Amino acid sequence: QVQLQESGPGLVKPSQTLSLTCTVSGGSISSGDFYWGWIRQPPGKGLEWIGNIHYTGTTYYNPSLKSRIALSVDSFNSQFSLKLTSVTAADTAVYYCARVRANGDYIYWFDPWGQGALVTVSS
Amino acid sequence: QSALTQPRSVSGSPGQSVTISCTGTSSDIGGYNYVSWYQQHPGKAPKLMISDVSKRPSGVPDRFSGSKSGYTASLTISGLQADDEADYYCCSYAGRYPVVFGGGTKLTVL
Repeated sequence: QVQLQESGPGLVKPSQTLSLTCTVSGGSISSGDFYWGWIRQPPGKGLEWIGNIHYTGTTYYNPSLKSRIALSVDSFNSQFSLKLTSVTAADTAVYYCARVRANGDYIYWFDPWGQGALVTVSS
Repeated sequence: QSALTQPRSVSGSPGQSVTISCTGTSSDIGGYNYVSWYQQHPGKAPKLMISDVSKRPSGVPDRFSGSKSGYTASLTISGLQADDEADYYCCSYAGRYPVVFGGGTKLTVL
């Protein structure tokens, strides 16, 4: 079955760029029916959708984060990545990647999820 | 876009049924049948329990069921078991936003 695994630095300094990669295994990242997404969860708080990307490069972003986000996909290596610029302490969270069942910007559900990566923004 | 409204906590005894509500607006739950529910145990990733309002993915026990009426979606867990104790999040397609989560509900099995 499809499995996802996040990787990247666990500590980022304020004003710098947070970069995470998600590696997909057990299935093809180039499946037309699915997008690949990022969701974050600040410590002790709820879930916030960040954005989705299709293997063709089509992206959909959370409007509240759109100016700071960039998603990219590397189909050859079955990976997709998140870059979040100008981070502050408010961006401290566990970042999850997930497979997304969607039809364009109609987002249906997220399954499965990666185990999550805690990223702390601190000097 | 505001988060969907869920009760902060619910509880029930083993064997009982509990229902978790998730209230939105005409722009999300009321306008589309793309409501999903996720179970999250402490320190673990969320797990999809219900999709498209009431569909159970393969492997999810039939004790879990979903429904929707108007602007409110509900997750019902029957025959409560100790392992059901977790946080539960609802999620809905929200048009131009385009997806919003609820604030989460902590289920305690007494």
